[in-house]
Amino acid sequence: DTAVSQTPKYLVTQMGNDKSIKCEQNLGHDTMYWYKQDSKKFLKIMFSYNNKELIINETVPNRFSPKSPDKAHLNLHINSLELGDSAVYFCASSHSTGDYEQYFGPGTRLTVT
Amino acid sequence: KNEVEQSPQNLTAQEGEFITINCSYSVGISALHWLQQHPGGGIVSLFMLSSGKKKHGRLIATINIQEKHSSLHITASHPRDSAVYICAVRSSGKLIFGTGTRLQVFP
Repeated sequence: DTAVSQTPKYLVTQMGNDKSIKCEQNLGHDTMYWYKQDSKKFLKIMFSYNNKELIINETVPNRFSPKSPDKAHLNLHINSLELGDSAVYFCASSHSTGDYEQYFGPGTRLTVT
Repeated sequence: KNEVEQSPQNLTAQEGEFITINCSYSVGISALHWLQQHPGGGIVSLFMLSSGKKKHGRLIATINIQEKHSSLHITASHPRDSAVYICAVRSSGKLIFGTGTRLQVFP
């Protein structure tokens, strides 16, 4: 039974399009995250939500809009996609906002052409 | 200069060798994580520690808070240990990642 799941796994789209990536966790965690892994495999935090409230927004362009309908879901919507948005996006969750282990989803590879 | 530096960047080993990966950081932290990213891309948390040493199977992680340094050791390495190992520190409520160490273990 998958703990943190993401859909889709692969996403290929053209510049200017709008796309969404969905994330769900069944661990009962309060905190969820979005990370971006660039072409050099470097991971960086984008957003963090705790109990549906945004707590970290790491200077991400406002074309990226996270939405958390409930604490088990954190979706990422991207408007007007650009070539530089091509990356692997990882969702993760943890028990709460303190020092807890994080559980990662399988990643979504986004390719913008 | 990254706030979290790992060394070496790449590491090759023969099966059975003892492996050490190092992580140094320059910020105040509340915890340090070691993650493993498999060739297929999935990321797994190996350890989270804020002091001392933790052991899980053949893996050992240590941290020296005063020196701002952590090490990940793999004893009796095996080809299935081949992966990218990523150090991440929790600072100001968020994880800051190192650039990873790519390990290849040959039979």
